Amino acid sequence: GAGVSQTPSNKVTEKGKYVELRCDPISGHTALYWYRQSLGQGPEFLIYFQGTGAADDSGLPNDRFFAVRPEGSVSTLKIQRTERGDSAVYLCASSLTLISGSRFFGPGTRLTVL
Amino acid sequence: GQQLNQSPQSMFIQEGEDVSMNCTSSSIFNTWLWYKQEPGEGPVLLIALYKAGELTSNGRLTAQFGITRKDSFLNISASIPSDVGIYFCALTGNQFYFGTGTSLTVIP
Repeated sequence: GAGVSQTPSNKVTEKGKYVELRCDPISGHTALYWYRQSLGQGPEFLIYFQGTGAADDSGLPNDRFFAVRPEGSVSTLKIQRTERGDSAVYLCASSLTLISGSRFFGPGTRLTVL
Repeated sequence: GQQLNQSPQSMFIQEGEDVSMNCTSSSIFNTWLWYKQEPGEGPVLLIALYKAGELTSNGRLTAQFGITRKDSFLNISASIPSDVGIYFCALTGNQFYFGTGTSLTVIP
């Protein structure tokens, strides 16, 4: 597709479960970013990739969160032992290069932990 | 972390009115971006500013990168109902900081 896509669009899970959120960036974009957005807040940085490697994961809140991008395209954000406080919209963005100013965002995955 | 403050936090205006919102940072950055986010959607880039003092327009939207490189404003002229949404400024470094957002409601 022409834009960044994310699946699923909504995910409801129970506390303690494991979830995976997927991001398909724009074709050819080498940089990929994950953000978390809580209600009424701006997006909060989690991690970004340049190619296959995580260039900066300092925004990940704790070791329950992990993200991969094995082939430098699709990325998966993984959350173990989910907690209610993990409920948020998880946004993915991509840009042509790391230094490119324009990030293009996907529609997000709304995660609800019951 | 980086402090990015936007004001006002929310605005309720009549259709046809002009809108102005601004954003200030605690540090100097080289690129300012303005995004609009509608409910259930990711942010969409409106305008990018790359140079201090730069004034850029995109249709009814005009944005300026402050001379000090620590602030920016976004103006929307002749607002219409579809301008409703949350407007975020953003600074691009590796982490890409977002402002606190300005929620805009346009009353027909």
